[in-house]
This record gives sequence, structure tokens and C-alpha cells, in this order.
Amino acid sequence: SAVISQKPSRDICQRGTSLTIQCQVDSQVTMMFWYRQQPGQSLTLIATANQGSEATYESGFVIDKFPISRPNLTFSTLTVSNMSPEDSSIYLCSAAGASTDTQYFGPGTRLTVL
Amino acid sequence: AQSVTQLDSHVSVSEGTPVLLRCNYSSSYSPSLFWYVQHPNKGLQLLLKYTSAATLVKGINGFEAEFKKSETSFHLTKPSAHMSDAAEYFCVVSAFNDYKLSFGAGTTVTVRA
Repeated sequence: SAVISQKPSRDICQRGTSLTIQCQVDSQVTMMFWYRQQPGQSLTLIATANQGSEATYESGFVIDKFPISRPNLTFSTLTVSNMSPEDSSIYLCSAAGASTDTQYFGPGTRLTVL
Repeated sequence: AQSVTQLDSHVSVSEGTPVLLRCNYSSSYSPSLFWYVQHPNKGLQLLLKYTSAATLVKGINGFEAEFKKSETSFHLTKPSAHMSDAAEYFCVVSAFNDYKLSFGAGTTVTVRA
């Protein structure tokens, strides 16, 4: 199984600012994903981070609000842009290898927007 | 498209008694099914997964789940609850060979001493 770390683990931000979350995997993986977990809710997929190309966004999520980078097979970033209090959530990244359909999750980044 | 319905939003059990978390799924294709656990302020940990092999799947920490195609169910059980089992549990489905996961709403488990 892959070990995934995220930075920062938590942050408190002012509205209108942006925060970039980093996700690092301890081995090369085929797929990386970003999820949002709003307070008291389940997880919702934001996008698939594609290595070397633009991310694939789910309905309701757009690149201008959640730009994603994936420069190599072990690292990805998610930026939450022009934040509002409604963006207060836990953001989680996950990863899966080519030979498995199992996703392993990072510990999450708890974001509070004031 | 696939989806899951977790039939209980909250389950409370006494320590040492059985735990049952119910999950029904809907999938257009042969599904892969998972149970993940999220302890307070922690990330998600995979408990077990079903991917068209044995219908009774054993996972970590004494949990197991049974895939029943006729009932479109994938219920999670544990014979004897421990205080450390208090957490949020998510039933998750994906179509076979599709990485996209669909999460249930979650079941909160509390364990009484």
C-alpha cells in the first residue's frame, strides 16, 4: 500500500486568499485524486490529477477555483482560490497504482476560512 | 452510474457485542466495493474490499463483509466491538476497472463501555 502525506495538516485563512495543499506519495502511482469533505458530510470527488496534462474535474468543480498540478508520478497540489467560508472543509488526496483499483488516502488538510 | 446507500446514519453498541453496518449498492456494472474507516481527525483507512472474488471478505481489525448480489448489499460486521472501533465508516462503490469512487453518507459508530 502507498503511504501518502499532505501539507499543511490544517490552516486558517482569510476570505479572498488562496491556499495550496501538497500531496506526496512514497511510491510512483498511476492515479491521484482530490476530494472534499464538508463538515459532517461524506467525501466528494473534486478532480483526477493527471500527470503531464490538465486535471479532469467533476461536475460542480472548475479549474479556476481549484487549480491542480501533477508534475510527476508521486506529487500533486491542489489550490483553493479566492476562498470563502463555504470552502471550509477537509481536503484529501488519494492515490492508486496501475495494478489495483484500491485508493489509499492521505490524512487530509483541515481548512477553515474566516 | 453507481451509488451506495448506508441505511444507518448512527449505530450505538456496547463493548463486546456485535456490530452490523448496512450498505446497499447500485451499479450498472460488476462493482468493486469497499469499506473505509475514519477515526476522529484522521484520514481514511481501508478496512476491506470486494472485487469479484470470494463473496465473504475479511478485513483488518476483525471486520468482515459479505457481498450479496441478489440483495445488492455489502454489510459490514464485527463479532465483538471494541472501544477503538468508535469512528465514522464509509461504504464505497466503483465500477469494475473504474477508479472513480462513490461514497455513502457514512455511519457513525459509538461504543458504550
